[in-house]
Amino acid sequence: GAGVSQTPSNKVTEKGKYVELRCDPISGHTALYWYRQSLGQGPEFLIYFQGTGAADDSGLPNDRFFAVRPEGSVSTLKIQRTERGDSAVYLCASSLLGRGAYNEQFFGPGTRLTVL
Amino acid sequence: GDSVTQMEGPVTLSEEAFLTINCTYTATGYPSLFWYVQYPGEGLQLLLKATKADDKGSNKGFEATYRKETTSFHLEKGSVQVSDSAVYFCALSPSNNDMRFGAGTRLTVKP
Repeated sequence: GAGVSQTPSNKVTEKGKYVELRCDPISGHTALYWYRQSLGQGPEFLIYFQGTGAADDSGLPNDRFFAVRPEGSVSTLKIQRTERGDSAVYLCASSLLGRGAYNEQFFGPGTRLTVL
Repeated sequence: GDSVTQMEGPVTLSEEAFLTINCTYTATGYPSLFWYVQYPGEGLQLLLKATKADDKGSNKGFEATYRKETTSFHLEKGSVQVSDSAVYFCALSPSNNDMRFGAGTRLTVKP
C-alpha cells in the first residue's frame, strides 16, 4: 500500500504570501502529525490530530500557522504572511492509533518550503 | 523539558568498521527511546526502539540499549556497509506525548 505522501515536494514563495501544504496519510491511520525540520536540526513537533480534531497544537510557533483535517484523512498545513524564518522542510507522519510509543509513526518525504 | 542530545557529525567510516553514535537524554519520567534513519531522498523511518530501562532495540544489525543509569541510548553496529550511509536521529517520547528528536548525525560509509 501507499505510504504517507506530501505535496508539493518543493514550494518557493515570497515573504508575506500565504501557502498551503498537503499531507495524505496512510489509509486507515487515525492519527496525523506535522513536524518542521530546519537545516541541520531534527524534526520539531507542530501539531497532532486524532481523527478530525487537533488533540495537541502546542508546537505551532504562532497564530500564522494553522492546520486542518476536516474529514479525518487528508490534512492541510496553512501558513499566513510567510517569513524567511519559516523556510524549512515540513514533515507529516501518521500512525494507526493515537500517540504513543507502541504506535509507530510513518513519515512522508516532506515539503521543502523556501521563503524568499 | 525532555530532550535528547546526540553526537555531532558528520561521521565517516570505511566499510566493515564498527559504528557508535552517542545519544543521551533528559527526561522527568520514563520515556520511550527511538532511533530513526533518513536515507538520501527518502522520509524518516523507524530503525529501532526501546520502551523501558534495559530494553535492547535491534534491527538490520543495529542495536541500542536503554540505559537509565547513564541516561543513554547509543546506537551501534558491528560492521557498517555503504548502504548504511544516511542521517540518524535519536528521539524520545514521554508517555503518550510528542516525539522529541535530536539534531541528527550524518554517516558516510566509504567502500
